[in-house]
Amino acid sequence: GAVVSQHPSRVICKSGTSVKIECRSLDFQATTMFWYRQFPKQSLMLMATSNEGSKATYEQGVEKDKFLINHASLTLSTLTVTSAHPEDSSFYICSAAGTGLGEAFFGQGTRLTVV
Amino acid sequence: ELKVEQNPLFLSMQEGKNYTIYCNYSTTSDRLYWYRQDPGKSLESLFVLLSNGAVKQEGRLMASLDTKARLSTLHITAAVHDLSATYFCAVDAPTSGTYKYIFGTGTRLKVLA
Repeated sequence: GAVVSQHPSRVICKSGTSVKIECRSLDFQATTMFWYRQFPKQSLMLMATSNEGSKATYEQGVEKDKFLINHASLTLSTLTVTSAHPEDSSFYICSAAGTGLGEAFFGQGTRLTVV
Repeated sequence: ELKVEQNPLFLSMQEGKNYTIYCNYSTTSDRLYWYRQDPGKSLESLFVLLSNGAVKQEGRLMASLDTKARLSTLHITAAVHDLSATYFCAVDAPTSGTYKYIFGTGTRLKVLA
């Protein structure tokens, strides 16, 4: 299957600072990328959809000014958590979809801890 | 709003036994996916089901899709400890073809030796 790389895998930051997470499709062009958040022992919740060169579409209840998404190229999307607070601590997972692949492919996830 | 429900939420079973996990979804979709998640890890793709009546098998796991009933099943045959994990089904959101997945609630499986 196609490969999606997410970086970093773990990050600890201080409350009030910003953190950037990268999601890269390594061997295909990702026309669309998705960002999910997963709290402990819960399911994955879709946060936003990003298309290359367009503004991201956020799901209801997700603060777009807090979770900045940029999809500047067909192989890279970034999620920036701005002014992070402890309640933003979570597991963030990206997925990427390309033409003709039949499914989306998931990154390894990023464990964010805000202290 | 598309809703995806799984049952059971928790499953503890003895090695060697069979069991089925159910995934029900609320609106029309022809694409359903099953994933495995180990603690602290991301998702591992198990099955991609793309049409009504689709059945796929890999090892001790078999998945099926009934789009008319809006139901998918994941059947476990002769469970082994290594199958202990959380299993998620996911359905494409109504804007089909976008791979925008709505995930089920998850089933935490524990296989006891």
